[in-house]
Amino acid sequence: EIVLTQSPGTLSLSPGERATLSCRASQSVSSSYLAWYQQKPGQAPRLLIYGASSRATGIPDRFSGSGSGTDFTLTISRLEPEDFAVYYCQQYGSSLFTFGGGTKVEIK
Amino acid sequence: QVTLRESGPALVKPTQTLTLTCTFSGFSLSTSGMCVSWIRQPPGKALEWLARIDWDDDKYYSTSLKTRLTISKDTSKNQVVLTMTNMDPVDTATYYCARSRIEGATIYFDYWGQGTLVTVSS
Repeated sequence: EIVLTQSPGTLSLSPGERATLSCRASQSVSSSYLAWYQQKPGQAPRLLIYGASSRATGIPDRFSGSGSGTDFTLTISRLEPEDFAVYYCQQYGSSLFTFGGGTKVEIK
Repeated sequence: QVTLRESGPALVKPTQTLTLTCTFSGFSLSTSGMCVSWIRQPPGKALEWLARIDWDDDKYYSTSLKTRLTISKDTSKNQVVLTMTNMDPVDTATYYCARSRIEGATIYFDYWGQGTLVTVSS
């Protein structure tokens, strides 16, 4: 089973700053099967990125995804107040899904 | 408009069996490529995928929990049911159902229910 490790655990930034979130897999993941989600307190996760770099419907272009193999990145170019949340990466392989442990982006 | 809604008991006792129902609308689980999964999240912790059922009735389970889980569907009622046996306090979590579609070489969770909190306590 593929393990996803997200870093850092917490990212303290100010609105307007750039956020770079990392997701590292224990073995190679097909880029087609790597997704990112945003979760705010008391809400269900929301799909941001699928196929490692494709934005989901309605997601602003300040969100971008990149990477391949075992290293993937979610970048938020300029943080808006509504972007402070927890972010999860997720992969699919061998008919199973796994999620990373999450990165919390908090206001500095 | 796609919606999913989880229902089930808010409180179960240790050793009991949990039964959760996901009622959905806006798509059919008999359509090729459609799938519904159950995912849980203990308070303050990360998401954990539990099980998935596909349009063709194929079923997949988390490796660590597969002996305790059963997933099934009732296409006519637009429902997916998850049972989890031998509940323990560590199973206390918000349980979500989510839709995914197998589209070519990609699959992801595009719609989620709001979740239902299940507490395991005597």
